[in-house]
Amino acid sequence: QKEVEQNSGPLSVPEGAIASLNCTYSDRGSQSFFWYRQYSGKSPELIMSIYSNGDKEDGRFTAQLNKASQYVSLLIRDSQPSDSATYLCAVMDSSASKIIFGSGTRLSIRP
Amino acid sequence: KAGVTQTPRYLIKTRGQQVTLSCSPISGHRSVSWYQQTPGQGLQFLFEYFSETQRNKGNFPGRFSGRQFSNSRSEMNVSTLELGDSALYLCASSLALAGGPDTGELFFGEGSRLTVL
Repeated sequence: QKEVEQNSGPLSVPEGAIASLNCTYSDRGSQSFFWYRQYSGKSPELIMSIYSNGDKEDGRFTAQLNKASQYVSLLIRDSQPSDSATYLCAVMDSSASKIIFGSGTRLSIRP
Repeated sequence: KAGVTQTPRYLIKTRGQQVTLSCSPISGHRSVSWYQQTPGQGLQFLFEYFSETQRNKGNFPGRFSGRQFSNSRSEMNVSTLELGDSALYLCASSLALAGGPDTGELFFGEGSRLTVL
């Protein structure tokens, strides 16, 4: 069983709509969760971190965490073509010395 | 503030050779993690170092090794290269992976792209 699972996509969303990306994880002891964005040919860059249950908003991005369901999501409001990228969900394992990445969801924003 | 610097950016090796990759973390960051990225496997964790100690290691053969120096710079080495080792090797630094705010936020270098022929 994969430790961090994401739908690989591609997820196609019209410009201006809400993009919803989901992730599940297997380590119940995990306490820290992250979303990274990776453009083609570039390195991953951190866009959101979340550590407690509930929602965390930063501009057009909202991360949601439900530890009981072992579920993390990322909402992107007012999607722009520049949001087209692969979004990686990452989870720090319970040893706190290893961050595991999902395989990523490819998001495409169509004009 | 300078970001994470990885050298070399590109390299070509032949099977059986060895390679050493270098990573200079962001100033003040003491944790360095290494990842292998391939189209088929995604980002795979190799190892993490903090204060010159390897704290965790991924599921890679012993041909993959690393170390961290007292200035937090890190190197990874792959011996007896195989075709399947062709990948982008990414280094990421963090203030620390535990304790305090911003825990675990990784900042990636541009990577070292290794091609094994």
